[in-house]
Amino acid sequence: QAQLQQWGAGLLRPSETLSLTCAVSGESLSGHHWIWIRQSPDKGLEWIGQINHNGIMSYNRAFRNRVTISVDTSRSHFSLRLTAVTAADAGKYFCARTMGDYPNDSLDVWGQGTVVTVSP
Amino acid sequence: EIVLTQSPDTLSLSPGERATLSCRSSQRVGSSYLAWYQQKPGQPPRLLIYGTSSRAPGIPDRFSASGSGTEFTLALTRVEPEDFALYFCHQFDTSPWTFGQGTRVEIK
Repeated sequence: QAQLQQWGAGLLRPSETLSLTCAVSGESLSGHHWIWIRQSPDKGLEWIGQINHNGIMSYNRAFRNRVTISVDTSRSHFSLRLTAVTAADAGKYFCARTMGDYPNDSLDVWGQGTVVTVSP
Repeated sequence: EIVLTQSPDTLSLSPGERATLSCRSSQRVGSSYLAWYQQKPGQPPRLLIYGTSSRAPGIPDRFSASGSGTEFTLALTRVEPEDFALYFCHQFDTSPWTFGQGTRVEIK
C-alpha cells in the first residue's frame, strides 16, 4: 500500500509562495493521479489540482492563475506551489492519490496534512 | 461548479442506533463518480465508499450507501463508538471536483 509523506513551510507572510512536497513510497507514480486538497473552516474541502506521472495536470479554476503542480518521477514525489498567498489560503493541505488511473476517481490514500498559516 | 449539500449538519446518536446521512447535488452526478469519506480529528479523510455504493477495502459492512442522480445516502446500521466522526461526500463527475460541507456524527 502506498504511503504519502508531505512537508513544506507552514508559516507564510501575505504575498509569499506556498511550497509543499509529497513523497510517494510503496509504489511508483504510474497508475494513479496525484492530488492536492485544501481544508479550511470557511470553505471545507477544496480540490486544488492534480497531476499524473506523465505531467498531465488539471487545476481548479479558482486557483489556476496562482498554482503550479509538478512531478518528479526520479524522486517519486510531486509538489504544489501557490503564489501570492493571502489569509484566505490558510488551512490544512493534503496530498492524496486517486484509486485508479482515471483523473476523476475517489481518493484512497492521503498524506497526513500540513497546516499552513498566513500572517503578516 | 457542482454544489453538494449534506444533511443534517450534525447527527446526535447513541451507540447502536442507525444513522442516515444525505448528500444532495446541485446537478446530476454519475453513480461512478460519488464517494464518501470519514474524518476524525487530526487525521486525513479516509475513503469509505466509492462508486456510490462500493465499500473500500477494510470498511465494515455496517456501512452502506446508495443513490443516483442528485440524491445520495450513506447509512450506518449500528453506530459503533469508533464511528463518531465527520463524514463527507465527494463528486468527481464534473470539474472542479467538489465536496459536501460534512455531517458530524456525535455521541448523544
